[in-house]
Amino acid sequence: DVKVTQSSRYLVKRTGEKVFLECVQDMDHENMFWYRQDPGLGLRLIYFSYDVKMKEKGDIPEGYSVSREKKERFSLILESASTNQTSMYLCASSSRDMNSNQPQHFGDGTRLSIL
Amino acid sequence: KQEVTQIPAALSVPEGENLVLNCSFTDSAIYNLQWFRQDPGKGLTSLLLIQSSQREQTSGRLNASLDKSSGRSTLYIAASQPGDSATYLCAVKAGGFKTIFGAGTRLFVKA
Repeated sequence: DVKVTQSSRYLVKRTGEKVFLECVQDMDHENMFWYRQDPGLGLRLIYFSYDVKMKEKGDIPEGYSVSREKKERFSLILESASTNQTSMYLCASSSRDMNSNQPQHFGDGTRLSIL
Repeated sequence: KQEVTQIPAALSVPEGENLVLNCSFTDSAIYNLQWFRQDPGKGLTSLLLIQSSQREQTSGRLNASLDKSSGRSTLYIAASQPGDSATYLCAVKAGGFKTIFGAGTRLFVKA
């Protein structure tokens, strides 16, 4: 069965800390995505990656960076956490074809609180 | 710019009722439309995906339709159950890697 695993369900960090959110998928998918979800704003794309070591900015990349050293793992990094980055973070993956009709598969999310 | 709207934002129905959730999008140039379910504090679970060339997809008590020309999709849930209570999101895939999500409809089915 398809599996996207996010390393933490809940995380509490302090302002200014460097925060790492990890995501691993076992489906050999080329594409991986990081979203944040906020009430009233829906899901917004932060970054995505279509191959190892490749990354592209989404709609709201400011304050974030990503790393994709291995195909199965996509990390989201908050360089210097701020309170406005308190949110639910969702990782997803999908197969390569840009025009594909393969669905995105999501992890269970990480609820991050920045104090 | 593609925008996805879901109405209503919240819905409460008695158990057993058939119901329809609505999704509209502004740009008809889409590759597919996907319906997701999200339980509180959890990630998204894919329910149905309709390709742009299709009109509908069915899975069990769920039926999703797509009308590209009018920019609309509906998710029909037959004989609703308390276990159907969740937030339902629709998302459209345009060119490239972009998927645009609606804000969701929060459904509560009363026993």
